[in-house]
Amino acid sequence: NAGVMQNPRHLVRRRGQEARLRCSPMKGHSHVYWYRQLPEEGLKFMVYLQKENIIDESGMPKERFSAEFPKEGPSILRIQQVVRGDSAAYFCASSPWAGELFFGEGSRLTVL
Amino acid sequence: QQQVKQSPQSLIVQKGGIPIINCAYENTAFDYFPWYQQFPGKGPALLIAIRPDVSEKKEGRFTISFNKSAKQFSLHIMDSQPGDSATYFCAASMYNAGNMLTFGGGTRLMVKP
Repeated sequence: NAGVMQNPRHLVRRRGQEARLRCSPMKGHSHVYWYRQLPEEGLKFMVYLQKENIIDESGMPKERFSAEFPKEGPSILRIQQVVRGDSAAYFCASSPWAGELFFGEGSRLTVL
Repeated sequence: QQQVKQSPQSLIVQKGGIPIINCAYENTAFDYFPWYQQFPGKGPALLIAIRPDVSEKKEGRFTISFNKSAKQFSLHIMDSQPGDSATYFCAASMYNAGNMLTFGGGTRLMVKP
């Protein structure tokens, strides 16, 4: 049973470009969470999704950030018009029923 | 009220020592307290978790102690090994209300041979 798959593992963008991060949950998991980790800091909750629904987005910045988890395909975290402060590791976690969370290996975004 | 405070930020012990990492929370609605281990370049991996109906839980060399009245919990690593060198995060959540984890700031542990 494959774990949570995230891609790309590393992404470099210039200021003003868009970043799209993808997360395929573990088989049978219908709950997805996105977290952001700045260097030398803990993980900060961003958004919690179930298939086709955003359940809680209280940790998402109000502008430029969006997330989706369509009926088919991976969950996508989209960051428009990236700025240097968006440079971080973005982790996706999945859960079968909002219980134990299993994390992917993260996508590391660098904004030049 | 959503914060989880973790200490120390870094810790160095000799092989065989017992590092202790402490966390304190504010939100009394939290009812799930996991600990995660993270190696450089990797995602966090669940080590052990506790619910507030018990004061201690042990799995292998890892033990969680939980003090509900003080709103504190801690991780003890018995007989620590160099392979335990990693960053450890405590977290807290409302387990049946979406389980959105609030993480502590992390403790970087180094176990010297």
